Amino acid sequence: QQQVKQSPQSLIVQKGGISIINCAYENTAFDYFPWYQQFPGKGPALLIAIRPDVSEKKEGRFTISFNKSAKQFSLHIMDSQPGDSATYFCAASYTSGTYKYIFGTGTRLKVLA
Amino acid sequence: GAVVSQHPSRVICKSGTSVKIECRSLDFQATTMFWYRQFPKQSLMLMATSNEGSKATYEQGVEKDKFLINHASLTLSTLTVTSAHPEDSSFYICSAGQGWGAFFGQGTRLTVV
Repeated sequence: QQQVKQSPQSLIVQKGGISIINCAYENTAFDYFPWYQQFPGKGPALLIAIRPDVSEKKEGRFTISFNKSAKQFSLHIMDSQPGDSATYFCAASYTSGTYKYIFGTGTRLKVLA
Repeated sequence: GAVVSQHPSRVICKSGTSVKIECRSLDFQATTMFWYRQFPKQSLMLMATSNEGSKATYEQGVEKDKFLINHASLTLSTLTVTSAHPEDSSFYICSAGQGWGAFFGQGTRLTVV
C-alpha cells in the first residue's frame, strides 16, 4: 500500500512530441505528489507538484493531471526537447509537510532530435 | 528553489574504512533532512530521516550502526558509512524540504574497493 507504481519504464519520443508518464497509488492518505527530473550522476531536481484537491497543474511545458477517484496522476511534457532526456520520478508524501517521499520506479525518457 | 549541497561528490575508499558524507542546506534551515540510496538505474530508497538535535529515524532493514547519521545544526547533516564494504558502493543522496517541496543534493558516488 506504500508503493507508487510508475509506467512506462522507458519512453522514446520525437522532438516536439508529447511525453506522458503515468503513476498510480493505493494509499489514500497520500496528500502531495511531486515530480522529479534526474540526469545521470546528479541529484533529482524538483519539477512540479500537485495536491489531490487540484485536477491539473501547469508550469511551462510541464503539466500534471490528477485523477483522485482513480488514484492516478500523470506528467505531460509538451514540445519535448532532446534536453528533456533524463529519468523522471513521481513521488508521494503521506505525511503532509514533512517532505518524506516514496518514489516511483522511474521512467527513462529519450527525446530524439 | 532552495539549495542543498552535498560533499564530496565522489569518494573511493578501501574496504573496512569509514567515509563521511556531508549535506548542507545553503539558504534555509532544515530541522529534518533525509538520506536516500540509489543503485544504478533504480529508484531512490529512503534510508533514514535525520532530525536536528535528536536521533535519526531509520527505515526498516537499514543498519543504524553501519550508517551513522548526525544532524548537529539546522543546516548540516552527516552520513558516515562505517566499516565500508564493496556492497555499500552506491549513490547516496540527501534532501531537505522548504516551501513547496524537497530539494536534493547533487549526490555522492561511493566506491568501496
